[in-house]
Amino acid sequence: DAKTTQPTSMDCAEGRAANLPCNHSTISGNEYVYWYRQIHSQGPQYIIHGLKNNETNEMASLIITEDRKSSTLILPHATLRDTAVYYCIVKGGRRALTFGSGTRLQVQP
Amino acid sequence: GAVVSQHPSRVICKSGTSVKIECRSLDFQATTMFWYRQFPKQSLMLMATSNEGSKATYEQGVEKDKFLINHASLTLSTLTVTSAHPEDSSFYICSAFPRDRGKDEQFFGPGTRLTVL
Repeated sequence: DAKTTQPTSMDCAEGRAANLPCNHSTISGNEYVYWYRQIHSQGPQYIIHGLKNNETNEMASLIITEDRKSSTLILPHATLRDTAVYYCIVKGGRRALTFGSGTRLQVQP
Repeated sequence: GAVVSQHPSRVICKSGTSVKIECRSLDFQATTMFWYRQFPKQSLMLMATSNEGSKATYEQGVEKDKFLINHASLTLSTLTVTSAHPEDSSFYICSAFPRDRGKDEQFFGPGTRLTVL
C-alpha cells in the first residue's frame, strides 16, 4: 500500500472548518484513500473514503486532487468532540489498514 | 454503520496468567477479522489476520504461540494472550470487514485495555 504523509498536529477553532491534508504521491490506480479518526482510548472510527471523485457524507468531505497524489479531509464545522488523531490511509482491496502517525487535531473553544 | 464489540473493555491480570479477549460483529458476518495492538502514544500495529475456519496469519515479530487467535464463527474471533507479562500491557483492538464484498470499510471495536501486573 502507498505511503502517506500528514502533518503531525493541527489546531482549529470551534465552529470553523478543519482542513486536514494528506500526501500520497505513490498511490496506484486501484488504491482508495481512507480516513479514520481515533478519539483518545477508543477504537478508530471510519470517516470517509474515495477513489478519485470528491466524496461527502454526514461527517465530512473528501477532496482528492486530479492526479490523486494528495487529498484533504474537511470537517465543515468542527466541534470539541472532533478533537482526535486523524489517519489518512491508502489501500487497495480487502487487506488490513496500515496506520501511520496521523494528524492530531485539537479543536479550540 | 456496522458494529463491532469487544469484551472485556478493561482487564488487569497477574504476570504469568492468560487472558482471553472476545471480538464480535453484532450486525454483520465477517469472514476476516484483524487484531491490532497500540502502545501508549503510538499508532496501531497490526498483529494478525483472523480468517473464519482457518489458521490466523501473524505479522512479522508477533509470536503465534503467545497470541492465540481463534475465529470459530462468522461473528466471533478471540485473542488469548498466554502467560502474559508486563510488556504485553497494551490496548488491543479488533476490526472486521462485512462479508458483503461490496463494502471495503473496516469497522473497529472499542478496544480492550490490558494491564499485566
